[in-house]
Amino acid sequence: GAVVSQHPSRVICKSGTSVKIECRSLDFQATTMFWYRQFPKQSLMLMATSNEGSKATYEQGVEKDKFLINHASLTLSTLTVTSAHPEDSSFYICSATRTTDTQYFGPGTRLTVL
Amino acid sequence: AQSVTQLDSHVSVSEGTPVLLRCNYSSSYSPSLFWYVQHPNKGLQLLLKYTSAATLVKGINGFEAEFKKSETSFHLTKPSAHMSDAAEYFCVVSNPGGGADGLTFGKGTHLIIQP
Repeated sequence: GAVVSQHPSRVICKSGTSVKIECRSLDFQATTMFWYRQFPKQSLMLMATSNEGSKATYEQGVEKDKFLINHASLTLSTLTVTSAHPEDSSFYICSATRTTDTQYFGPGTRLTVL
Repeated sequence: AQSVTQLDSHVSVSEGTPVLLRCNYSSSYSPSLFWYVQHPNKGLQLLLKYTSAATLVKGINGFEAEFKKSETSFHLTKPSAHMSDAAEYFCVVSNPGGGADGLTFGKGTHLIIQP
């Protein structure tokens, strides 16, 4: 149990376009979902925390207007990178929790902005 | 405040020999501690978790970790390394309240397995 999926696994887009990444908890209801960004050979950097039905809480330095997060249901959260630029290229990973503090991670999405 | 220090950025061992990945933490609370593994271009997979029950925690794939409060350590071990263990390993500490604002990641240890 506790499987988290992400879609797409890879995406390449042109500079200036927007990209949506989905995160789903497949076999449990996630009270909270998290979005991380990971640069090559580095640890994960938390971008934002989202609870179903409420606004996401962004970490300091993360532009909320650029990284739009929607958590419409207990099994789905989306991250939209708006007006993407090459510096937004990264590996984006989501995670989800049930009632405990254990986070279950998705497989990640590799975003490349040309 | 809490922090996690993974003492080695890279560890190289021969296949079949023991693995030791070191992690020290600091926390104002009685923390939960985790080890995650990440294979290239993949998400993180939970190896094991300590939550104040038994101090020796057994995880998947033959890994285990021992919580030592006196040493503030949570080192990850495996008796015999396998080629498939080559990956990045993250030690993570969480405060009892859980949630992302209580989650702190170590910088990771890259495990290399020599044939």
